[in-house]
Amino acid sequence: KNEVEQSPQNLTAQEGEFITINCSYSVGISALHWLQQHPGGGIVSLFMLSSGKKKHGRLIATINIQEKHSSLHITASHPRDSAVYICAARRNQFYFGTGTSLTVIP
Amino acid sequence: GAVVSQHPSWVICKSGTSVKIECRSLDFQATTMFWYRQFPKQSLMLMATSNEGSKATYEQGVEKDKFLINHASLTLSTLTVTSAHPEDSSFYICSARDPGLAPVNEQFFGPGTRLTVL
Repeated sequence: KNEVEQSPQNLTAQEGEFITINCSYSVGISALHWLQQHPGGGIVSLFMLSSGKKKHGRLIATINIQEKHSSLHITASHPRDSAVYICAARRNQFYFGTGTSLTVIP
Repeated sequence: GAVVSQHPSWVICKSGTSVKIECRSLDFQATTMFWYRQFPKQSLMLMATSNEGSKATYEQGVEKDKFLINHASLTLSTLTVTSAHPEDSSFYICSARDPGLAPVNEQFFGPGTRLTVL
């Protein structure tokens, strides 16, 4: 069993839709990261959070420490949001989820 | 923001040859760098952690004699895949950390290097 589980694995949305990606983890963590991996492979760190909620533009990340669950929301989705979104739980090392492949259709 | 570069971005080599991949922190001093490997449609797997000036710490199952890591300066770490074989074909990603940057323990990822061994 993976320490970090993401759902869904694949997601197709129409432009403008509200998107939610979920992440559950089983290890005790010091922080949880949301990463965005573009088709070429490059990775961008979107959020690092240890409690509550963070917002950056159209992206919102929340975490519930008690339930060991985090969500990434994208409001007013756009085709340029198409990417793989990876949840990573950090303890002494990173535990990566398998990623959610998002495709936003115009 | 902090920038990490990797070179080359892609490389194709013959089986049995060695390949060196560079990871550089461009605008900060990376006391710790991490090397990851990602096979197609799989998640990132940590290979090793390197601290500047000391030997790298390898994850279980990663051959240290095959994947040589050098972190000789605060801005450069290299990963050398020795005697590469087709099963080493993968996407190699580095990340770097500077405890002096806020937030503490944030990691900054490089763009990755795609290795194909023929």
